[in-house]
Amino acid sequence: KQEVTQIPAALSVPEGENLVLNCSFTDSAIYNLQWFRQDPGKGLTSLLLIQSSQREQTSGRLNASLDKSSGRSTLYIAASQPGDSATYLCAVNEAAGNKLTFGGGTRVLVKP
Amino acid sequence: KAGVTQTPRYLIKTRGQQVTLSCSPISGHRSVSWYQQTPGQGLQFLFEYFSETQRNKGNFPGRFSGRQFSNSRSEMNVSTLELGDSALYLCASSIRDREDHEQYFGPGTRLTVT
Repeated sequence: KQEVTQIPAALSVPEGENLVLNCSFTDSAIYNLQWFRQDPGKGLTSLLLIQSSQREQTSGRLNASLDKSSGRSTLYIAASQPGDSATYLCAVNEAAGNKLTFGGGTRVLVKP
Repeated sequence: KAGVTQTPRYLIKTRGQQVTLSCSPISGHRSVSWYQQTPGQGLQFLFEYFSETQRNKGNFPGRFSGRQFSNSRSEMNVSTLELGDSALYLCASSIRDREDHEQYFGPGTRLTVT
C-alpha cells in the first residue's frame, strides 16, 4: 500500500528565503507525482506535475524534482513571498489510473 | 475555459439523512475523481468515474456511492450520514488519456453533519 509522507509538517521563513519542501513515497511504481497548493478552506491548485520518466519540472519560481528509485520528490520555491503562505501537498498517481495518494501536507508561513 | 465546479458549496445535514453532491468537470475532461478531506485523515480517495463507469474505488463503506452521466458530470451520494462524515468533499477532473493524467480540483463542498 502506497504511503506518502511530507516533512516538515509546518515551516516558517522570512520573506525572500528559498523554500524546500520534501515528499517521500514508499512504492516507486508511480505514474506521476503532482504538487498542489491549498489555501485555508479552499480547493487544491495544481502547481507542477512530474511524469515518472522525468527528473524535474519548472514553472516560474517553482522547481520540482523526482527521484523514483529513492522514493523522493522535492519542491523548491525561490525567493519566497508572503503570498506563498499556504499548505503544500504532494500526491502520487499510481499506475492503475487516477487514484491520488496524498501526503499530509506542509503548512508554510512566509513572514514579511 | 471554466474550471471544475461543485454544488452546493456548503451543506448542513442531520445524522441519518442522505446527501447528494454534484461535480461538473472541465469541458473535455472525461474522468472525475472524488476525495474526502478531514483534519484527522487528510485527503483520501473515494472513487473515480470515467466514461460513466467506476474505474477505481477507495476504502470507504458502501454508504458512499457515485455515478457519472453521459456529459461527464458526476454526483456523489452519502446515505445514513454519520457525524464522522463531516468533511470537505473535493472532486477532480482530468482528461485521462495515455499521456495526460493531470488532475484539476474544484473548490469543494463543505458538509457538516449534526
